[in-house]
Amino acid sequence: AQRVTQPEKLLSVFKGAPVELKCNYSYSGSPELFWYVQYSRQRLQLLLRHISRESIKGFTADLNKGETSFHLKKPFAQEEDSAMYYCALGDSGYSTLTFGKGTMLLVSP
Amino acid sequence: AAGVIQSPRHLIKEKRETATLKCYPIPRHDTVYWYQQGPGQDPQFLISFYEKMQSDKGSIPDRFSAQQFSDYHSELNMSSLELGDSALYFCASSLPGANVLTFGAGSRLTVL
Repeated sequence: AQRVTQPEKLLSVFKGAPVELKCNYSYSGSPELFWYVQYSRQRLQLLLRHISRESIKGFTADLNKGETSFHLKKPFAQEEDSAMYYCALGDSGYSTLTFGKGTMLLVSP
Repeated sequence: AAGVIQSPRHLIKEKRETATLKCYPIPRHDTVYWYQQGPGQDPQFLISFYEKMQSDKGSIPDRFSAQQFSDYHSELNMSSLELGDSALYFCASSLPGANVLTFGAGSRLTVL
């Protein structure tokens, strides 16, 4: 069974501080991992996915198959990063996503 | 650019009533997904359609049904509504074989 765990419901940091949002997954096949972000009163939108290995808005995430993790990191948080972040796991053969419960990131000035 | 359109934005119903939510995917997206997000909960996958056929089924109650039409828009029909059905219902669409979903803004259903 697919499972995504985001252990932190809320992460509060000061502007300029490093950020790491944790995500662990459970999947027997070859996973595809994503981070989605939901800003206040807006729709969910894709932030990044592991296969593209890119940096979006300063965020990066590395898939660690040994630790079954896909933590989201940013070296210097900005106030506009405050949002709800969802880690999601997709199976390789399809597009059905399993979402984690989400982590609320609050960046204070 | 056009996004995924959901209608209505807000809907208030009473218990045991029926409700229909509509989703219009991005042009050329032929796969549609429905997710339900209860208050303070993560989105739960309900059902998906590809080329007008049901492609996957998640935790969708038997009281709910959905279909995808020839123009690829989808409707989620909910009957015998219960208080616990109050949630934000997201629709998402994708290109065939793509794992990247584009979500609509959601339809918020409140059951009184």
